[in-house]
Amino acid sequence: SQKIEQNSEALNIQEGKTATLTCNYTNYSPAYLQWYRQDPGRGPVFLLLIRENEKEKRKERLKVTFDTTLKQSLFHITASQPADSATYLCALALLRGGYNKLIFGAGTRLAVHP
Amino acid sequence: EAEVAQSPRYKITEKSQAVAFWCDPISGHATLYWYRQILGQGPELLVQFQDESVVDDSQLPKDRFSAERLKGVDSTLKIQPAELGDSAMYLCASSLGVAGGPTDTQYFGPGTRLTVL
Repeated sequence: SQKIEQNSEALNIQEGKTATLTCNYTNYSPAYLQWYRQDPGRGPVFLLLIRENEKEKRKERLKVTFDTTLKQSLFHITASQPADSATYLCALALLRGGYNKLIFGAGTRLAVHP
Repeated sequence: EAEVAQSPRYKITEKSQAVAFWCDPISGHATLYWYRQILGQGPELLVQFQDESVVDDSQLPKDRFSAERLKGVDSTLKIQPAELGDSAMYLCASSLGVAGGPTDTQYFGPGTRLTVL
């Protein structure tokens, strides 16, 4: 069956450390993968996109890797801050009939402590 | 900065009643999406419009849910009758569509929190 798995337990880290979140998938062949941030009671906000032929993407303190052999993406936040506390969702983009369809994981809740 | 608007933000209804949600996408965005997000899960696509046409409604429970985007701008999602299991956050998103290319970014609205009693 097709699955997207993200750490179901919350990740608690100390301010200033690097947070690493994992997204694993099975039986999908995504054209690209996206990471979103979601705060409680709000809609997701797009952070980064990485294509299937890219290994790594960076944006400020954020870094994403994509290993299509392992079927895994890692999302890193360096020098984490309490304001980074939120739920982070990974989403696989599947091309269907000329359109893109996003399949979301359940998300991982990150808590950064001062 | 342009945003996707949704209303109402919260809705409480009793089972078997009808409910409707409204979404106004970012101006110029041809593609509009309705998602359902159950607490603790990721968003699940219910229906996708390209302009006024439905391009994907494979996960829409068509016996009780309907969606329309008559003029290719704003959209309404309706549930009739509502069931207890429909309690969730209903999110609307929009994107440029074909003009945005294959890596088109989706912009989400704040959502409507539905509680069915």
